[in-house]
Amino acid sequence: QVQLVESGGGVVQPGRSLRLSCAASGFTFSTFGMHWVRQAPGKGLEWVAVTWSDGSNTYYADSVKGRFTISRDNSKNTLYLQMDTLRAEDTAVYYCARDHGYYDSSDYSTYYYMDVWGTGTTVTVSS
Amino acid sequence: DIQMTQSPSSLSASVGDRVTITCRASRTVSTYVNWYQKKPGKAPKLLIYAASSLQSGVPSRFSGSGSGTDFTLTISSLQPEDFATYYCQQNYGTPFSFGPGTKVDIK
Repeated sequence: QVQLVESGGGVVQPGRSLRLSCAASGFTFSTFGMHWVRQAPGKGLEWVAVTWSDGSNTYYADSVKGRFTISRDNSKNTLYLQMDTLRAEDTAVYYCARDHGYYDSSDYSTYYYMDVWGTGTTVTVSS
Repeated sequence: DIQMTQSPSSLSASVGDRVTITCRASRTVSTYVNWYQKKPGKAPKLLIYAASSLQSGVPSRFSGSGSGTDFTLTISSLQPEDFATYYCQQNYGTPFSFGPGTKVDIK
């Protein structure tokens, strides 16, 4: 079945680095864009980053730009999030999500949405 | 950047009630709005995409409407499993922002 499984979370000191992984199965990973979304304790959902299916384009939230890097290895069906210079405010559950496109022929538009989500991995930044 | 707001931030309702949640974008996003349901300890679940299209497998009591800057999620008859937090999200342009959420709890 279609599945995403995150790993790599843990407790890390401020200023240090961590790399998250998201293993995909049950679908052709190389044909889908992928997102990272996070939820800090007691807070709402925050979009973090997206990568195109071939990794050619990446975009980031302002809060992580310059510190986080999203990447993928399509040969391993795996998405990554390299998190550098971590801050206390990066403490959150991190989810990976598949980006699905839907073409509406009535208005010639393609709509994208996150249709498959992992169960999340927890990152705690604390000294 | 596009900011998304939601109202109310929380509401209390009874099983069987009709519930309406509003989402507003800081500038036009056409119909590039999705709605998600989030329960504690669970992954978010897609309910509605492209403002009004029901995701496969989602009960028909959920519906979405709107375009431009104003959007609505409606639950026609609230069920016990619907008590959760609901988020709108725009994917018109990066950064792809979420609204702050609307928590629906039991009256």
